[in-house]
Amino acid sequence: EPEVTQTPSHQVTQMGQEVILRCVPISNHLYFYWYRQILGQKVEFLVSFYNNEISEKSEIFDDQFSVERPDGSNFTLKIRSTKLEDSAMYFCASIKGQPPYEQYFGPGTRLTVT
Amino acid sequence: AQSVTQLDSHVSVSEGTPVLLRCNYSSSYSPSLFWYVQHPNKGLQLLLKYTSAATLVKGINGFEAEFKKSETSFHLTKPSAHMSDAAEYFCVVSPGYTDKLIFGTGTRLQVFP
Repeated sequence: EPEVTQTPSHQVTQMGQEVILRCVPISNHLYFYWYRQILGQKVEFLVSFYNNEISEKSEIFDDQFSVERPDGSNFTLKIRSTKLEDSAMYFCASIKGQPPYEQYFGPGTRLTVT
Repeated sequence: AQSVTQLDSHVSVSEGTPVLLRCNYSSSYSPSLFWYVQHPNKGLQLLLKYTSAATLVKGINGFEAEFKKSETSFHLTKPSAHMSDAAEYFCVVSPGYTDKLIFGTGTRLQVFP
């Protein structure tokens, strides 16, 4: 069964450094999302992406964040200058764009900012 | 704005007994509602979804949920808990088919032998 994959599974970085989190959505999916989950808290929406542009973003998704679909398979989340409070599990999700409209989630990348 | 409230942060049951995880939603129109499960150190898996068809929705692993508009509820149930059901469960609402998902705070289910 096709699945969303994410790399790396765990990333440790120093405050102020740039990180790129990578996702490979399911191949025929058209809508892509990033969510994050700070330890012990609920899952929060960051951004949605369709037709090579951002369709919606949350207040969390400030100028330090960017997303890109550089080729036909990868979907990346970049944090330009990481802060301690960016430490979280980051989930990528994708949806086909037709019924049954189910968002499929990747296993997540745990980002630790020290 | 849409939101969901999960009424219990922790639920503990004995194996073989029924499970009830409660969720109330707030929406100005007919919502899409979901339950996702997250096992320790794993990603999020869709258990079931309601999208204005049948009000009783059956999902994977014996779980089901009933959409009650009059009570604005979407409680998750299972007749008989299994040890493997121990996980975090999230009630989720979405404004539209391809829109963002809005998560509740989660309910941690513990299953005792």
